[in-house]
This record gives sequence, structure tokens and C-alpha cells, in this order.
Amino acid sequence: EPEVTQTPSHQVTQMGQEVILRCVPISNHLYFYWYRQILGQKVEFLVSFYNNEISEKSEIFDDQFSVERPDGSNFTLKIRSTKLEDSAMYFCASSAADTPSNTEAFFGQGTRLTVV
Amino acid sequence: KQEVTQIPAALSVPEGENLVLNCSFTDSAIYNLQWFRQDPGKGLTSLLLIQSSQREQTSGRLNASLDKSSGRSTLYIAASQPGDSATYLCAVRPRGGSNYKLTFGKGTLLTVNP
Repeated sequence: EPEVTQTPSHQVTQMGQEVILRCVPISNHLYFYWYRQILGQKVEFLVSFYNNEISEKSEIFDDQFSVERPDGSNFTLKIRSTKLEDSAMYFCASSAADTPSNTEAFFGQGTRLTVV
Repeated sequence: KQEVTQIPAALSVPEGENLVLNCSFTDSAIYNLQWFRQDPGKGLTSLLLIQSSQREQTSGRLNASLDKSSGRSTLYIAASQPGDSATYLCAVRPRGGSNYKLTFGKGTLLTVNP
């Protein structure tokens, strides 16, 4: 069964360092997303991406964050200068180009980012 | 702003029991609602998707209902098993914006005891 894959599963980084989280969405999907979940809190939307551009972003997604689809299969989230509060589980998701009513999002296993 | 609430926050039941998880949302302007399962430290597995025009969806022992006008959804699990132990998340896709993002509840942590 097709699935969204994320690498690495766990990343530890020093405060102020840049990190890149990687995702391979399901191959025929056209909408891509990043969400995050701080420990004990709700899953929060960060950004959606379609047709090689950001279609929506939340207030969390400030200029320290960026996304890219560098080739036909990968989708990345970059955090330029990590802060302690960026520590969270980051989920990549994708969905097919259906209508909004029947769009179903499929999530990866997540990357646990720990900023020390 | 859409808010999603899930009650109870945690539920412990003996194996074999039927149970209901509740989800409420503040704005009925949604495209659909998705129920997910999350195992500890793992990703989200999609269980059921209900479109706003639908009243319920079934998959195996799971049945999800949607009452959009009252802002409620329930997930019914029949004949629960220890393997059903996980956190169950409800998420709605609000109308407006990109129309594709999800707003999540905090989840219900279910423990099924053998």
C-alpha cells in the first residue's frame, strides 16, 4: 500500500543550527503538507503546498521556515535557525487532487526533532 | 476560528466492550471530517473520512457518524480489542482558506484491557 515516508525518524540539533526534514509523499498525490505536534499538544497545521508554491501557511510558519520540492519525489521542510521551542514531532502529509469534500490526507510516521 | 474538542481525554475499557468517542467542532462550515489513530510516538493512520453531506461511514468494527449542524461526530468501536489501544484523533477540513488543511482535536487516549 502506498505510504508517505519521512527521514530521519529522529534528529537532535543544537539551537541555532539549520535542519532539513525530508518527506516522500505518495506518488500520485499533488497536495503536500507539514504539520507539527509539540509533546502533549494538538497536531497543528504549518503549511500546504501545491503546484510548486505555498497555498496556505499558519502563523507558526514564519520566515525561519521554508518548504521545497527539489525534484519529482521529495518534499522538504527547512528550519533556518532552530529554537528550543521548535522541538516537536513533524509530520508530512499528502493528498490527491480531489475535491475538498473527498480529500483524504495521508500522514507519514513523523520526524521527532529535539533542539538542545 | 474553528476549534475541535474531544471528550473524554482518556478512556479505559475491558476487552470486548463497545465504546463511543466524541468529537465536537465550533463551526459547521466544513468539507469533511477525518478520524485518525495514533500509536505512541508514531504517525497518524487515517481510519475514516466522512464528507459533509454524509451521515456515517463504516470500516470493519468502526463506525463514524457526523451531525454537521450540531457540530458533532462520534466514533463507535465495536467489540474492542487490546490492539485498539491508541490515541484517536478527530480532524475537520474547514471551508475557506486553501480548503485542504485540517484542524485537529487533542485526541482521546483509549486503553483496552485484556
